[in-house]
Amino acid sequence: GDSVTQTEGLVTLTEGLPVMLNCTYQTIYSNAFLFWYVHYLNESPWLLLRSSTDNKRTEHQGFHATLHKSSSSFHLQKSSAQLSDSALYYCALSDTNAYKVIFGKGTHLHVLP
Amino acid sequence: GGIITQTPKFLIGQEGQKLTLKCQQNFNHDTMYWYRQDSGKGLRLIYYSITENDLQKGDLSEGYDASREKKSSFSLTVTSAQKNEMAVFLCASTSGTGNTEVFFGKGTRLTVV
Repeated sequence: GDSVTQTEGLVTLTEGLPVMLNCTYQTIYSNAFLFWYVHYLNESPWLLLRSSTDNKRTEHQGFHATLHKSSSSFHLQKSSAQLSDSALYYCALSDTNAYKVIFGKGTHLHVLP
Repeated sequence: GGIITQTPKFLIGQEGQKLTLKCQQNFNHDTMYWYRQDSGKGLRLIYYSITENDLQKGDLSEGYDASREKKSSFSLTVTSAQKNEMAVFLCASTSGTGNTEVFFGKGTRLTVV
């Protein structure tokens, strides 16, 4: 079945350093869509980024990701981490004809001063 | 904009008890979801519904029932709460498939004593 694999557990880095959270996926569908959701404590998860066409970069709020169908990946990147980026990040998978949205196990990002 | 309201925010139950979690959305979305969030296990789909009175099982449906009597509401019942169970249950909704955004409530935190 469909699945999403993320960088597991906790990623800790110092403010100002680059961020990269990995996401790979498996799907039987040919037209997969990938997403990154962010979940801050005591808030609702919300959409940070969604994929565009193959090999096209999408950006939002300083974060960016590129869907690479050849490697089934959609890694989340940011050039310089901020303290406010500390949160739980989920990679998710959907398809044109699928109502199910499959989430990965989540990656906690902790940015230190 | 819209909002997803989950009640209660905190639910404490006893082992073996039947417990019901409620969710209301005013987005007028057709599709609604229940996810269970456990640390290290991500968001796992329990049930989803693509329209009023429709119910579809997710990967974690055993031990749960769901009900979608109105388009705006989706309830989840824990049929027999397990001792030491602790998790956050997230309700979500979306307007369609594929590249559409999923909106979440703030969650219900369940503790079973």
